Amino acid sequence: AQSVTQLDSQVPVFEEAPVELRCNYSSSVSVYLFWYVQYPNQGLQLLLKYLSGSTLVKGINGFEAEFNKSQTSFHLRKPSVHISDTAEYFCAVSSGSARQLTFGSGTQLTVLP
Amino acid sequence: DTEVTQTPKHLVMGMTNKKSLKCEQHMGHRAMYWYKQKAKKPPELMFVYSYEKLSINESVPSRFSPECPNSSLLNLHLHALQPEDSALYLCASSRLKGNNEKLFFGSGTQLSVL
Repeated sequence: AQSVTQLDSQVPVFEEAPVELRCNYSSSVSVYLFWYVQYPNQGLQLLLKYLSGSTLVKGINGFEAEFNKSQTSFHLRKPSVHISDTAEYFCAVSSGSARQLTFGSGTQLTVLP
Repeated sequence: DTEVTQTPKHLVMGMTNKKSLKCEQHMGHRAMYWYKQKAKKPPELMFVYSYEKLSINESVPSRFSPECPNSSLLNLHLHALQPEDSALYLCASSRLKGNNEKLFFGSGTQLSVL
């Protein structure tokens, strides 16, 4: 069984400030990790994914995430946020394929002017 | 073409109505999915089709009936729904090659059941 915990349901941050959205997972097998973003009235869009190799993963829109196996974490970071980054962010884990994807509860990032 | 197109974008229906949600992709993906998403919640998997065959049904009530007429189309037929079925219904697709799969989502159909 696998699960994902997003510790913060809401993260308000001022424009141009750095942000970190936290994600912890649990699984009895090797996992693949994803961050998806959902803008209002939209579907989900893949930001980045970790499958293997380098633990620092760079994604779209200036986001990056670091896979930490010992801490079972996959936190999402951006050094300077924009108003347009306001959205819901979902961490997800899969032990095999997209058919076995488990989403976290989501973090609402609100960027304030 | 890297889009998943869903129609309609919004749907209001009564509990006795019959309606259908439609989803289309032309990326050659052989896996297609229906998710249900309530407000401020993550998507919940409902159905998965692999090579046009139903491979996963997550104990969804029979008032939801999926159909995959061909590799590009996915339908969700709705009948006798309840108000608690009101939600955003998301379609997604992916390749079926190894574990390097990425889900492509449509923008969803916002369903309201009165």
